[in-house]
Amino acid sequence: GENVEQHPSTLSVQEGDSAVIKCTYSDSASNYFPWYKQELGKRPQLIIDIRSNVGEKKDQRIAVTLNKTAKHFSLHITETQPEDSAVYFCAAWEFYFGSGTKLNVKP
Amino acid sequence: NAGVTQTPKFQVLKTGQSMTLQCAQDMNHEYMSWYRQDPGMGLRLIHYSVGAGITDQGEVPNGYNVSRSTTEDFPLRLLSAAPSQTSVYFCASSYSRGSSYEQYFGPGTRLTVT
Repeated sequence: GENVEQHPSTLSVQEGDSAVIKCTYSDSASNYFPWYKQELGKRPQLIIDIRSNVGEKKDQRIAVTLNKTAKHFSLHITETQPEDSAVYFCAAWEFYFGSGTKLNVKP
Repeated sequence: NAGVTQTPKFQVLKTGQSMTLQCAQDMNHEYMSWYRQDPGMGLRLIHYSVGAGITDQGEVPNGYNVSRSTTEDFPLRLLSAAPSQTSVYFCASSYSRGSSYEQYFGPGTRLTVT
């Protein structure tokens, strides 16, 4: 099956800085890569996704990049705000999740 | 739309007991799945279904059964609870839109096995 690795496990940034979270996957047949945000005690929610025929996708302050050759994809959050503090998960297909990154944005 | 609903929200079981976690969705989604979430391990797929009458195993299926008799419902059965099954359980439903599979999660069930 697919194996997704996610780094870092924790990330602390100052408000206004950028944050980058990286994931790698093992199955070259994977073609869909969603990112989820989970606030404490809440359910995961989809924030952005990318398909394998696209190298980059942006939605306001968040962007995702995909390198199919290297089998890695990244989440970029610019101008971070305290409300961005949460755990972020990458996934391959819809079923295979990374272990999560706890993002802390300090005011 | 209620979206994806799960019951109960909390449950405490003794080792060896059995129970069923309920999951329902009202979005007419074809796909449904069950995950467990343990600290530091992300979400791990237990079982999934691509339509009524069709189920398949995920990464960690041992100790769990599922069935999908209707599009709306996807219950998860714990056959003989063990402390290792203490976790938060999320049900999800999704639909395919081209090559995207937008997935919606239920609120979760926090299960403790003593």
